Amino acid sequence: QVQLQESGPGLVKPSETLSLTCAVSGYSISSGYYWGWIRQPPGKGLEWIGSIYHSGSTYYNPSLKSRVTISVDTSKNQFSLKLSSVTAADTAVYYCARQDIAAASDGWGWFDPWGQGTLVTVSS
Amino acid sequence: SYELTQPPSVSVSPGQTARITCSGDALPKQYAYWYQQKPGQAPVLVIYKDSERPSGIPERFSGSSSGTTVTLTISGVQAEDEADYYCQSADSSVVFGGGTKLTVL
Repeated sequence: QVQLQESGPGLVKPSETLSLTCAVSGYSISSGYYWGWIRQPPGKGLEWIGSIYHSGSTYYNPSLKSRVTISVDTSKNQFSLKLSSVTAADTAVYYCARQDIAAASDGWGWFDPWGQGTLVTVSS
Repeated sequence: SYELTQPPSVSVSPGQTARITCSGDALPKQYAYWYQQKPGQAPVLVIYKDSERPSGIPERFSGSSSGTTVTLTISGVQAEDEADYYCQSADSSVVFGGGTKLTVL
């Protein structure tokens, strides 16, 4: 079955760029679906960051758009997140997930499955 | 910006029915999705397209929609259902509700 695994530094300094990668196994990214990033600050709710299609087409949360870049590497079957100019408010568990838009017919779809998540702390 | 509103908490006794609501102005024209999240774990999809249940999700989980409110219903609640539940939908972008903590008394 499809599995996703996040990886990247667990500690990032303020004003620097957070970089994470999501490795996908059990499914070829090139075959379809969108692939998304979602985060969850400690003790708080979920926030969608953005999503990417295998062609490279992206869409982002308007509140984060100026700082977010999501890219895809189909040769490695993985996609990545970069979040620039981070502050303590960006401390969160970051999840990657497959996003099923085509079957939803509403243009947005749902996230399933999810990776286990990785905690990123922003601190000097 | 668009918001989905959920009650912070819902409490039920084992065997009873739990209903968790999610309200949003765009829900009449956008699907809603529901996720279950247990402590220290990633969210799991339990309902998609308002009322569809993914394979592997127990039949006691169901979803419904009426106007600007969607409802996740858990019939015959079990202790293992204690978790946070999030609704998700969209307007001009993907949005999650604030989450509801389900406590099984």
